[in-house]
Amino acid sequence: QQPVQSPQAVILREGEDAVINCSSSKALYSVHWYRQKHGEAPVFLMILLKGGEQKGHDKISASFNEKKQQSSLYLTASQLSYSGTYFCGGMGQGAQKLVFGQGTRLTINP
Amino acid sequence: KAGVTQTPRYLIKTRGQQVTLSCSPISGHRSVSWYQQTPGQGLQFLFEYFSETQRNKGNFPGRFSGRQFSNSRSEMNVSTLELGDSALYLCASSLPGGFGYTFGSGTRLTVV
Repeated sequence: QQPVQSPQAVILREGEDAVINCSSSKALYSVHWYRQKHGEAPVFLMILLKGGEQKGHDKISASFNEKKQQSSLYLTASQLSYSGTYFCGGMGQGAQKLVFGQGTRLTINP
Repeated sequence: KAGVTQTPRYLIKTRGQQVTLSCSPISGHRSVSWYQQTPGQGLQFLFEYFSETQRNKGNFPGRFSGRQFSNSRSEMNVSTLELGDSALYLCASSLPGGFGYTFGSGTRLTVV
């Protein structure tokens, strides 16, 4: 069962904030976040392990709520370079199978 | 250090033919996963290999197969190609246990 992402698409102006959500019906051991720009490979952003810790670097951070099996990616003061499609991936305990959500397309306009 | 290398970058095949795609992971990465990416279906998991063993397989027909060699390089094979197999095939390598994946640039397969 693949994770469900919301929203499917977001359009922002430079400097605005965005939140992308990822929800799983199965218990997850870890949640990954990736960004893919058009014509390029997905690029790893961060991983959150079971334990509910929040991670972040620069103005991009994420959280993982184990009880709800939900993760959120937070992009603050968005930059043009943040445009792309964001994928969350979920991995169950003991499983070496990363299953991705359907993606969220983020467009940042000047 | 070198990234994940996939060859070839582009491939055009005819229905019914078979194809082999190659993936060389980052040095030291023993886990290799394969994904099929299409506009309508997103990133679909094909299989994952570690130390020459397939540990997980996605919901794809038996026409899709793969293997991993002792140097961690991996190949995937698709036999009896169908038009619907046209897609970007991505491989990703990682260290075991709680690390992110590094993706290759992919092989774009077109079946005509």
